Amino acid sequence: DAGVTQSPTHLIKTRGQHVTLRCSPISGHKSVSWYQQVLGQGPQFIFQYYEKEERGRGNFPDRFSARQFPNYSSELNVNALLLGDSALYLCASSLIGPDTQYFGPGTRLTVL
Amino acid sequence: AQSVTQLDSQVPVFEEAPVELRCNYSSSVSVYLFWYVQYPNQGLQLLLKYLSGSTLVKGINGFEAEFNKSQTSFHLRKPSVHISDTAEYFCAVTDNYGQNFVFGPGTRLSVLP
Repeated sequence: DAGVTQSPTHLIKTRGQHVTLRCSPISGHKSVSWYQQVLGQGPQFIFQYYEKEERGRGNFPDRFSARQFPNYSSELNVNALLLGDSALYLCASSLIGPDTQYFGPGTRLTVL
Repeated sequence: AQSVTQLDSQVPVFEEAPVELRCNYSSSVSVYLFWYVQYPNQGLQLLLKYLSGSTLVKGINGFEAEFNKSQTSFHLRKPSVHISDTAEYFCAVTDNYGQNFVFGPGTRLSVLP
């Protein structure tokens, strides 16, 4: 079975630009979460979506937004990019509740 | 609010030696605990998890962890490490709703020949 997939693998943007990252969950998983992992740190929770509704939001500015589609795939959007947004963005899918989150390989975003 | 502390940022150990990676958490509600491993330039892979039941949990690749509620700890152990165990290890906690996984800062395990 396919795991969590993310696209693109790498992305280079300049300050002020907008970026969209995509995630496809494991088949049957209806929950998708997004994390930001800055180099040398643990992942930081950004959003969780379940059945197309936002179920949780971390401490990130409004420049960050996300949505989930009827097929449970998800997009993370970041507007007005800052240098500090450079990070590995991880998507994870899970069944509902406190169970294992399965992570994708991540999208490496570099903001110049 | 939940938090996770990993007391050692780096742990060097010789091949075939035992290792313990420490994790402590704080939470005001029931918790569910996880250990993930991250190899260079990859996503996170689940090693093991504690949801309920036996406090000694066995995972993949010979790792195990023990949940200690009184000490709010969930330390990861392996009796004999291999070079291939060199990676970053993250402890994580979530609550009943599983909406938010809180990760620790990670411990870099370096296995030396």
